[in-house]
Amino acid sequence: DAKTTQPTSMDCAEGRAANLPCNHSTISGNEYVYWYRQIHSQGPQYIIHGLKNNETNEMASLIITEDRKSSTLILPHATLRDTAVYYCIVRVANNAGNMLTFGGGTRLMVKP
Amino acid sequence: DAGVIQSPRHEVTEMGQEVTLRCKPISGHDYLFWYRQTMMRGLELLIYFNNNVPIDDSGMPEDRFSAKMPNASFSTLKIQPSEPRDSAVYFCASSLTGLGSPLHFGNGTRLTVT
Repeated sequence: DAKTTQPTSMDCAEGRAANLPCNHSTISGNEYVYWYRQIHSQGPQYIIHGLKNNETNEMASLIITEDRKSSTLILPHATLRDTAVYYCIVRVANNAGNMLTFGGGTRLMVKP
Repeated sequence: DAGVIQSPRHEVTEMGQEVTLRCKPISGHDYLFWYRQTMMRGLELLIYFNNNVPIDDSGMPEDRFSAKMPNASFSTLKIQPSEPRDSAVYFCASSLTGLGSPLHFGNGTRLTVT
């Protein structure tokens, strides 16, 4: 699986967009980008995933660069409840299983 | 849908004792994963099952650790004998087969070995 690089921590003002970057310069053509987050004292929570097109769901948007070497997770209107550690993971998605390897993630602090 | 259910939520035991952690996956999910989280090492995959069969246990740290899945609705992770360095939060997750199917995690068991 391709290695990812994320900033250790970020701050965001409540109500503003939170843009979380992730570098994955060694990504392969069949590897997906996944985002999970972990709120304190809870298990990780799936947010979104994509291959090469931008994706949007009720939680967030995922923007993947054309060369696929980096991506950005966007929380359009961050709230205090979005304070969490955000993990960017790159992995081949196949029917053999979706086991994920978590890195250090980005600790997002949403401030009032 | 109750989600992935883990028990107990907290476990405190003495070194040398046997510890059993339990997990009930989401009904219909055919993959089950056990992860361990510590401050030093982050989230580590220990073992995963497909249709109740262990597929990859290369993350299991030592022979003191064992995991079973006797049926589709129940799995255990056992540590015998336990040691202080086993203190961590243990997460269970389940997923469906399918491209990109997300993992659904339980809220974990916080294990403290004194």
